[in-house]
Amino acid sequence: DIQMTQSPSTLSASVGDRVTITCRASQSISSWLAWYQQKPGKAPKLLIYKASSLESGVPSRFSGSGSGTEFTLTISSLQPDDFATYYCQQYNSYPLTFGQGTEVEIK
Amino acid sequence: EVQMVESGGGLVQPGGSLRLSCAASGFTFSSNWMSWVRQAPGKGLEWVANINQDGGGKYYVDSVKGRFTISRDNAKNSLYLQMNSLGAEDTAVYYCARSGITCCDFAYWGQGTLVAVSS
Repeated sequence: DIQMTQSPSTLSASVGDRVTITCRASQSISSWLAWYQQKPGKAPKLLIYKASSLESGVPSRFSGSGSGTEFTLTISSLQPDDFATYYCQQYNSYPLTFGQGTEVEIK
Repeated sequence: EVQMVESGGGLVQPGGSLRLSCAASGFTFSSNWMSWVRQAPGKGLEWVANINQDGGGKYYVDSVKGRFTISRDNAKNSLYLQMNSLGAEDTAVYYCARSGITCCDFAYWGQGTLVAVSS
């Protein structure tokens, strides 16, 4: 199984900050990586697919990069609506696996 | 508007069975892979199973193989998850999810249904 490891687990930031979350795969997954945002009590929402493609309707302050085993999600200017938990997910091979999540909290 | 509505969750005793349903609308159901993803209370996301467009391809996480069965009825725009031999470790919110461009990213999600396994 491919293990996905996110860092940090928790991130404290202020509105307007540039935020970067890292996701590492235990083996190469090419660009088969997605990023999701989840708010408490809600279903996850797809932000980025194929490592760097922005899902329709997602604000352009979100961006993804990377390939192989190391990936990043960047929020260029953190907004109040962005305080949430973020997950990466690999879909290079079965079983499909998620990172453990990164909680972005208000500083 | 794409919409998925899960049902069938509830409290079940260890060793019991439950069948989850997901009613889909707002898209051509038969054109998409569909998945079940679960989230234990206070924990992260775990993919459970997925099924291809015609139901001929099915994949499962090892922890549910032989106990859970995913199926679909394209005529009814519905996805199912039959869960047998349930244990405490299966307690979670179960989400129905529709694929995006590929089989295996999750572009749309239902609101989830809670399955609680307890005596």
